[in-house]
Amino acid sequence: AQSVTQLGSHVSVSEGALVLLRCNYSSSVPPYLFWYVQYPNQGLQLLLKYTSAATLVKGINGFEAEFKKSETSFHLTKPSAHMSDAAEYFCAVISTGGGNKLTFGTGTQLKVEL
Amino acid sequence: GAGVSQSPSNKVTEKGKDVELRCDPISGHTALYWYRQSLGQGLEFLIYFQGNSAPDKSGLPSDRFSAERTGGSVSTLTIQRTQQEDSAVYLCASSLAVVAGELFFGEGSRLTVL
Repeated sequence: AQSVTQLGSHVSVSEGALVLLRCNYSSSVPPYLFWYVQYPNQGLQLLLKYTSAATLVKGINGFEAEFKKSETSFHLTKPSAHMSDAAEYFCAVISTGGGNKLTFGTGTQLKVEL
Repeated sequence: GAGVSQSPSNKVTEKGKDVELRCDPISGHTALYWYRQSLGQGLEFLIYFQGNSAPDKSGLPSDRFSAERTGGSVSTLTIQRTQQEDSAVYLCASSLAVVAGELFFGEGSRLTVL
């Protein structure tokens, strides 16, 4: 079964610093990969997705992610963190079982400090 | 409505009672999903509907859990004889089946079993 692993359940950065949230996938075939964000007391929303069209994917709010097959990674980055980026971030992979089902990682809580 | 609507937003119940959680998806979305979010557990898939049928119920943790969807729209997740370990946030999402992985989530129903 396809799965994703997020390294680091909590990440803390200073405002203005680089954000790097790590995600590695396990898949025998090229996967569809996603990053979702959950702001406090809100539902999850899609940040960006990789569907094999381009390895560098740009999403909302200045985030981007690069698909690296050689490293089986799909890390999320943002050049300069804002206080408003504080949230929980989930990496996800679409299930090969069909039906559009997503399997999520365990999440990374991002804290942005002044 | 414009987004996925879930009710109740908060539910406190006593152990052994039955609860029903409701999800009203985005109009026109044929696929509907239930996930459970527990502290330290990430998002756990429960069940998926395509129209009114549920081709994937693999995530339902026990036979105390059931879900139905009527009219290709509203869905109800029922938990019978609730246990303390059922305490979690239950998230509903919907999607256009043809758009891979783009799920739209509601804000969730927080269930607390005393």
